Amino acid sequence: AQSVAQPEDQVNVAEGNPLTVKCTYSVSGNPYLFWYVQYPNRGLQFLLKYITGDNLVKGSYGFEAEFNKSQTSFHLKKPSALVSDSALYFCAVRDGGDYKLSFGAGTTVTVRA
Amino acid sequence: DAGVTQSPTHLIKTRGQQVTLRCSPKSGHDTVSWYQQALGQGPQFIFQYYEEEERQRGNFPDRFSGHQFPNYSSELNVNALLLGDSALYLCASSFRPSGRALTDTQYFGPGTRLTVL
Repeated sequence: AQSVAQPEDQVNVAEGNPLTVKCTYSVSGNPYLFWYVQYPNRGLQFLLKYITGDNLVKGSYGFEAEFNKSQTSFHLKKPSALVSDSALYFCAVRDGGDYKLSFGAGTTVTVRA
Repeated sequence: DAGVTQSPTHLIKTRGQQVTLRCSPKSGHDTVSWYQQALGQGPQFIFQYYEEEERQRGNFPDRFSGHQFPNYSSELNVNALLLGDSALYLCASSFRPSGRALTDTQYFGPGTRLTVL
């Protein structure tokens, strides 16, 4: 079985400050990890993924994520947050032998000007 | 290049009715997955279609069925609607070269908002 936990329902940061959104996962095989962002009344927009290799993955819009196998974590980061980054962020995992994505409950990010 | 498209955008039905939602995948993609996103929750996997067959199914009742056409577009059908079926239904498409590991990225459409009264 595969699962994802996003321990924070909400994250609030000031514009220009670093942003971190936390994610931990559980899989039985090799994890394939993804981050998506959802704006109000919209579908999910792909940000980045970890498959293998370098533990630091760079993605769209200045976001990056760090894979930590020992802590089973895949935290999303942005060095300097923008007001336009305010949205709902989802972490997802796919077990190596599975076709489906399993999503966390989501974290609402609010960046104040 | 058009992304994943879904129709209709919104739909209102009453309990017991049937509904059909449609999805056209991103150009070059051959696999379609459907997800249900209830209010305040993350998307839940319904099923995935590849080569016109259901390849994997999530924990949803048989009232949920689907179809994939030769042009890779897909439909999601829900029979005997319940109030609890009210949700945003998301379609995602992807492409995985034969024999490769499951590293493909699923790209999502804007969704269909279904309200059951």
